[in-house]
Amino acid sequence: EIVLTQSPDFQSVTPKEKVTITCRASQSIGTNLHWYQQRPDQSPNLLIKYASQSISGVPSRFSGSGSGTDFTLTINSLETEDSAAYYCQQSEDLPYTFGQGTKLEIK
Amino acid sequence: QVTLRESGPALVKPTQTLALTCTFSGFSLTTSGMCVSWIRQPPGKALEWLARIDWNDYTSYSTSLKTRLTIFKDTSKNQVVLTMTNMDPVDTATYYCARTYGDSNRFFDFWGQGTLVTVSS
Repeated sequence: EIVLTQSPDFQSVTPKEKVTITCRASQSIGTNLHWYQQRPDQSPNLLIKYASQSISGVPSRFSGSGSGTDFTLTINSLETEDSAAYYCQQSEDLPYTFGQGTKLEIK
Repeated sequence: QVTLRESGPALVKPTQTLALTCTFSGFSLTTSGMCVSWIRQPPGKALEWLARIDWNDYTSYSTSLKTRLTIFKDTSKNQVVLTMTNMDPVDTATYYCARTYGDSNRFFDFWGQGTLVTVSS
């Protein structure tokens, strides 16, 4: 089973800052890595697919990069609505797995 | 318009079997490449993938839970059912169903709103 480890677990930031969340896979997964945003009391929402591909309707301040075992989610010019938990998910192999999540607090 | 909705008991007792239903619309599980998964999330914790059923009846399960899980579909009702045996308080979680579509699209593009299941005597 592929283990995904995110860092940090928690980050407190101010609006307009830039933040980077990392996701490391226990083995190479190519670009089979997707990112989700989960606001409090809501279902997860797809942000980035296949490491760096944008999703229609997702603000352009969200971007992703990486391949193999190391991936990053970057959020430029944070807005208060970005206060949420962020999860990575791999689809390289079954069983699918998620990272433990990164909680982002906007001060 | 794609929608998914989970339903089932809000409270189950330890050792009981849980049955959850995902009722969906806007797509068919007879379409090649279509899949529905179940994912859960204990309060305040991370997402955990549980099981998947494909358009061709292929099923796959979480390594740690596979002995307790069964997933099946009723295409005539547009439903996917997940059963989990021998429920324990640690299984208290919000259970989601979500869709993936296409061999090159193995990400969850649509999710249900989730249903909270509490395991307690």
